[in-house]
Amino acid sequence: DIQMTQTPSSLSASVGDRVNISCRASQSIRSYLNWYQQKPGKAPKVLMYLASTLRGGVPPRFSGSGSGTDFTLTISSLQPDDFATYYCQESYSFSGTFGQGTRVEI
Amino acid sequence: EVQLVESGGGLVKPGGSLRLSCAASGFSVSDAWMSWVRQVPGKGLERVGHIKSKSDGGTTQFAAPVEGRFTISRDESKNTLFLQMNSLKTEDTAVYYCTTYHIGVAGYDYYFYMDVWGKGTSVTVSS
Repeated sequence: DIQMTQTPSSLSASVGDRVNISCRASQSIRSYLNWYQQKPGKAPKVLMYLASTLRGGVPPRFSGSGSGTDFTLTISSLQPDDFATYYCQESYSFSGTFGQGTRVEI
Repeated sequence: EVQLVESGGGLVKPGGSLRLSCAASGFSVSDAWMSWVRQVPGKGLERVGHIKSKSDGGTTQFAAPVEGRFTISRDESKNTLFLQMNSLKTEDTAVYYCTTYHIGVAGYDYYFYMDVWGKGTSVTVSS
């Protein structure tokens, strides 16, 4: 199975900060990477697929980059609604392994 | 509106069984790829298994920790997906989410993401 490793596991940031979250795959997954956002007590929601394609309705302050094994989710200017946990997921195989998550805290 | 509502969670002893249900509305469960994803409280997400759409063969695939113990099925008449969990272990304790797959085409390849999620149902395995 493909292993997905996210760093950092948590970070503290302020409103307006630029935030980067990294995700590394144990083998090349080309651009088959999804990003999800999860708020406490809620189900995850997909933000992005194919590494950099925003799902409809997702604010453009979210962006994604990378291919192969290394990927980054960037929030250009953190907003109060963005404090949540973020997960990457490989979509190269239907196993769809998730990273362990990155908690973004105030 | 596409909606998923899970039910059937609860407290069960190790070695016991439980069947989770996922009632779908706004689409037919037979026409969709669907999955079960679980989350240990305070921890990350783990895909438990998935079932292909009927037109794609309807086969199932499971993660290694549950292979041979869990099965996925659907009842078209009730438009409901099921997760049958047998030989439950304490490490199966989690919130279980039902999801749909969105499958798209990128060039010559397919991609997917988990599109619609239910609110989850909690399973506790404890003596």
